[in-house]
Amino acid sequence: EVQLVESGGGLVQPGGSLRLSCAASGFSVSSYYMNWVRQAPGKGLEWVSVIYSADSTYYADSVKGRFTISRHNSNNTLYLQMNSLRPEDTAMYYCARGEIYDYWGQGTLVTVSS
Amino acid sequence: EIVMTQSPATLSVSPGERATLSCRASQSVSTNLAWYQQKPGQAPRLLIYYASTRATGIPARFSGSGSGTEFTLTISSLQSEDFAVYYCQQYNKWPPFTFGQGTRVEIK
Repeated sequence: EVQLVESGGGLVQPGGSLRLSCAASGFSVSSYYMNWVRQAPGKGLEWVSVIYSADSTYYADSVKGRFTISRHNSNNTLYLQMNSLRPEDTAMYYCARGEIYDYWGQGTLVTVSS
Repeated sequence: EIVMTQSPATLSVSPGERATLSCRASQSVSTNLAWYQQKPGQAPRLLIYYASTRATGIPARFSGSGSGTEFTLTISSLQSEDFAVYYCQQYNKWPPFTFGQGTRVEIK
């Protein structure tokens, strides 16, 4: 059974950092496109980042230069390192599998506030 | 960037009735279009991909159609569990992957 479980969210001050994790089971994260998608409170879905093939990566303009996506085959986990966080980064962060997002995690909440 | 526009923003429908949701792309996305359902407090769930292919376990009352820039999600007979927010998303030309702003289907 495919499962994605995010962790690492929390309350952080503006300018701070967090690392989100997405532990996968039932498949290998190295074999699929893997994405981060976020949803600000009461708002719609916003794609954040993708990692695919030989660890090629892309980022939304809103996070480029501040966020880094990576994956580790040893523990089958996807990561999102978030630096220089801003209040507008406050959102539920989901990991999702594939170019077509066929499986999603339950999300982890990031709150950026002083 | 391809902009996805959904209409209407809110759709009020009685149980058992048909619901028709629209999604328009700012340029052609071929049939590289997906629909997702999101209920309160839950992650989105894939309903339809390649514009008209139902995902695993999705009931036949959900159907998708369209190509190019105009797409439709139809729910043939609304059940109580179908009241939710629906998003379309293009994956034809990225980055970025882009979503519509969502259509809320509410009980009339």
